[in-house]
Amino acid sequence: GQSLEQPSEVTAVEGAIVQINCTYQTSGFYGLSWYQQHDGGAPTFLSYNALDGLEETGRFSSFLSRSDSYGYLLLQELQMKDSASYFCAVKYYGNNRLAFGKGNQVVVIP
Amino acid sequence: GAVVSQHPSRVICKSGTSVKIECRSLDFQATTMFWYRQFPKQSLMLMATSNEGSKATYEQGVEKDKFLINHASLTLSTLTVTSAHPEDSSFYICSFRDRCGGWGETQYFGPGTRLLVL
Repeated sequence: GQSLEQPSEVTAVEGAIVQINCTYQTSGFYGLSWYQQHDGGAPTFLSYNALDGLEETGRFSSFLSRSDSYGYLLLQELQMKDSASYFCAVKYYGNNRLAFGKGNQVVVIP
Repeated sequence: GAVVSQHPSRVICKSGTSVKIECRSLDFQATTMFWYRQFPKQSLMLMATSNEGSKATYEQGVEKDKFLINHASLTLSTLTVTSAHPEDSSFYICSFRDRCGGWGETQYFGPGTRLLVL
């Protein structure tokens, strides 16, 4: 099957670190992407892992392990503006379509 | 990054009417565009893939006669919700990859259109 699972919600204080996990059941995809979506807004691209390992982009890092069918997004030094939903997504071979996970809502509190 | 616009941003209509949503890529040409639907607190669900100059490809369970897609140019795709009903109320988002996107890692999204059918 093709599905992406993410836990639903997490609350954390400013300055903290949050890890959002993504497990998937699919084969034949180019890479794992992460998107941020503020309430009522459009998803915006955060990071992409084509290969196994860690990709770091400022306060955000993303990790992929194809052998474990697992990835995560790490949010460091949380800021209030990081309160949003975060989606993992895979782009399948053959049609280049993005399939999104269920999303994880992060709430940052003072 | 690339810019995508959608119009209208919000629409309220009566049940039975049709609503057209426009999606434009503002600074490059998009051979392929995607239409998503998102219900509150849920993920983005792909509805269809819109190819310039050809018929759209719909996902399983999406009625092609109800959700009409036209991708007449490299910068414009439209989604028309025909005979809208309250259950069609949702957030509709377009997205695209550009001509040179290949297997690139990004996909650019429009700001979305919130449809409320009374």
